[in-house]
Amino acid sequence: AQTVTQSQPEMSVQEAETVTLSCTYDTSENNYYLFWYKQPPSRQMILVIRQEAYKQQNATENRFSVNFQKAAKSFSLKISDSQLGDTAMYFCAFSNNNDMRFGAGTRLTVKP
Amino acid sequence: SAVISQKPSRDICQRGTSLTIQCQVDSQVTMMFWYRQQPGQSLTLIATANQGSEATYESGFVIDKFPISRPNLTFSTLTVSNMSPEDSSIYLCSAAGSLGETQYFGPGTRLLVL
Repeated sequence: AQTVTQSQPEMSVQEAETVTLSCTYDTSENNYYLFWYKQPPSRQMILVIRQEAYKQQNATENRFSVNFQKAAKSFSLKISDSQLGDTAMYFCAFSNNNDMRFGAGTRLTVKP
Repeated sequence: SAVISQKPSRDICQRGTSLTIQCQVDSQVTMMFWYRQQPGQSLTLIATANQGSEATYESGFVIDKFPISRPNLTFSTLTVSNMSPEDSSIYLCSAAGSLGETQYFGPGTRLLVL
């Protein structure tokens, strides 16, 4: 069974600084998808970024980028120029044939 | 991306009663899912709602407790039956266009059972 591990329950960062959230996963599959979702206090889950396992190039979305290390089964999220609106729970997720598994989440606080 | 709405957004119910949560997607989707999330915790998949057939339940969840309907490609309901305080949680609906695609989530239904 696939498992997703987020080892940082809480993190904080100063506004405008950069922060990296860690995620590792365990799978025997070769083709899969990885996601980072953001859940602000309003609780709506929002997709931040997505990575296909067959792509070597790391995905980027504006201030958000990932470091995907397939051999190490690692999928970290880097947030550059952190903004107050980035304060939220961040969930790493693994999907194979739409069987999506979530990590425990990292609560990120951006401080002014 | 898909826009998903859920009704009700929150409810307070008495033990022993049942509540049906509705999930509406603004476009036809292949896959719909129901999750449960305790406040401050991660998501647990309850079941996959299959259009035209019975839902596929995860271990620990049964149809008698969580009956699910999926009458078409844009709508699904989850019923929480014979509720107890342990059912107090946030229930989330999600949808995906096809296998492997991104799941988009509804705003959730916050349920409190007294």
